[in-house]
Amino acid sequence: DTEVTQTPKHLVMGMTNKKSLKCEQHMGHRAMYWYKQKAKKPPELMFVYSYEKLSINESVPSRFSPECPNSSLLNLHLHALQPEDSALYLCASSQDPANTDTQYFGPGTRLTVL
Amino acid sequence: AQSVAQPEDQVNVAEGNPLTVKCTYSVSGNPYLFWYVQYPNRGLQFLLKYITGDNLVKGSYGFEAEFNKSQTSFHLKKPSALVSDSALYFCAVRDAGAQKLVFGQGTRLTINP
Repeated sequence: DTEVTQTPKHLVMGMTNKKSLKCEQHMGHRAMYWYKQKAKKPPELMFVYSYEKLSINESVPSRFSPECPNSSLLNLHLHALQPEDSALYLCASSQDPANTDTQYFGPGTRLTVL
Repeated sequence: AQSVAQPEDQVNVAEGNPLTVKCTYSVSGNPYLFWYVQYPNRGLQFLLKYITGDNLVKGSYGFEAEFNKSQTSFHLKKPSALVSDSALYFCAVRDAGAQKLVFGQGTRLTINP
């Protein structure tokens, strides 16, 4: 089973709202990732968690705050977002961040910021 | 630094014909190469990868890819295209030891009935 689940599927929020995206995997993977994807563009890496510790932050604005409560769960907390933050947010996981393992992606959360 | 190029934004193929989606890469060390497919409003689905070994890699849904070190290419192929293959295809590369996966710009594949 190579399933990564993400909730919610769709999210509409105002610029003053606080919301969270959730990602879950039960494959025993020790690396988890957040990507942002704009329409017809490739995914852009935002954050990497390796063994539940933040290992890469691709200079993401502080209005995005990741959290990895345990090895199966990854959250992305959103606050004071801008309309240009509207995008598909993808979560992915891989067995081990340091080798050649495949990243498996969830279906994404479509975020609209009004 | 690692990079990937997909020279064609769009590829159109008639159903039943062979298809090729092109990818070239640049890395400092040994490349780890991946192909993903994305259907509308969906996440990325893994198709296949090259790590080492045989230059011809077979993957899901009848797709295969050929690793060519001298040409730094990793083209995706399928002998007989289906209309259901129509989607957005991404090539990605990862340098040995790197955590970051770098994606190409994507190629929109359209299979015409």
